[in-house]
Amino acid sequence: EVQLLESGGGLVQPGGSLRLSCAASGFIFSSYDMAWVRQAPGGGLEWVSSIATTGGWIFYADSVKGRFTISRDNSKNTLFLQMNSLRAEDTALYYCTNVPDLDYWGRGTLVTVSS
Amino acid sequence: QAGLTQPPSVSKGLRQTATLTCTGNSFNVGNQGAAWLQQHQGRPPKLLSYRNTNRPSGISERFSASWSGNTASLTITGLQSEDEADYYCSAWDSSLGARVFGEGTKLTVL
Repeated sequence: EVQLLESGGGLVQPGGSLRLSCAASGFIFSSYDMAWVRQAPGGGLEWVSSIATTGGWIFYADSVKGRFTISRDNSKNTLFLQMNSLRAEDTALYYCTNVPDLDYWGRGTLVTVSS
Repeated sequence: QAGLTQPPSVSKGLRQTATLTCTGNSFNVGNQGAAWLQQHQGRPPKLLSYRNTNRPSGISERFSASWSGNTASLTITGLQSEDEADYYCSAWDSSLGARVFGEGTKLTVL
């Protein structure tokens, strides 16, 4: 059974940092391009960042460019998102998923940026 | 980054047919079509259609996707109460170098 388990969310003050993880199982993680997608409370889906199977290409949404860093460890079947200089508008439920097909989703990890 | 355009809401009766639309441009929907996702309240998104018209295993044949020009469509036939959810489209935008989502359509089944 395919599973994506996000973790690392929590309450952080503006300007703070968090590192999200997404542990994958049930499929060949190293064969899939992956992405982070977030959803603000009551809002729609917003793509955050994508990374190729070997990290050969990486893309970021303009809203997080320069502040967030996506990475992966294929030996541990894990996707990461390092989030620095967090803002209130980064408050959201963060999901990991595979791209471009978007057929695997975790349950998300909640990030709340507030003083 | 500009997203895709979806109507905010659609309401249809039980057993009727609903067609949801997703409009982009030649760099996103017009180039590669769109994927469609369903999201029930408090649940993660669920893929309904990928690579324009393909349906994942386990997805009802009542859901069918199509694509023409810069507009993608999702048609749901024989509406059931459990179809009431938010529906999102998504595509890769080659000019932005970004994945874009629609704002979502809330489908109400009356």
